[in-house]
Amino acid sequence: DTGVSQDPRHKITKRGQNVTFRCDPISEHNRLYWYRQTLGQGPEFLTYFQNEAQLEKSRLLSDRFSAERPKGSFSTLEIQRTEQGDSAMYLCASRLGTPTDTQYFGPGTRLTVL
Amino acid sequence: GEDVEQSLFLSVREGDSSVINCTYTDSSSTYLYWYKQEPGAGLQLLTYIFSNMDMKQDQRLTVLLNKKDKHLSLRIADTQTGDSAIYFCAVINQAGTALIFGKGTTLSVSS
Repeated sequence: DTGVSQDPRHKITKRGQNVTFRCDPISEHNRLYWYRQTLGQGPEFLTYFQNEAQLEKSRLLSDRFSAERPKGSFSTLEIQRTEQGDSAMYLCASRLGTPTDTQYFGPGTRLTVL
Repeated sequence: GEDVEQSLFLSVREGDSSVINCTYTDSSSTYLYWYKQEPGAGLQLLTYIFSNMDMKQDQRLTVLLNKKDKHLSLRIADTQTGDSAIYFCAVINQAGTALIFGKGTTLSVSS
């Protein structure tokens, strides 16, 4: 399978715990994106990497959230001290970086904070 | 700020055509996209249109773009029960770095 993969697919945690999600983009894609999708809404942009550099962060990305892409390949998104409002689907997307290409999405990680 | 709006629900019978509409506020997006999301799944890119085109056809899908009215539509011909899903319209933000999505249109196809 050469698509975008995410792990885990589902995560249930208690409020106050830390969680970390992983995204593996399509191998030659140098751009990687994280989005959050809550029930009944479209995905909302969180952050964007070009290779290992984090180039943009949305105001939705509070200081409890941190994302990394250490070697310009896979990325991790960590949420510290989770809150019930963090419950959502976290989607990762990647693209090649040429002007005409598009973003391809992974299956998402569904987070439930109890 | 940039905004994308869609009607929330559409119900059709199998075999009919479906038309899903979208309006957007920022016309700087070079490409405009339609994504499909099935229950519990990620987003699948269906089709996209370059901003200097007004129509694109891809098998059962027809995309129409009216730049003057900032209106995008997706027509699905001969709709099947397998087309039941949520359809998202998306444009690129002004910075050219991320997609802005509508809230999605839930398409329900009855046999």
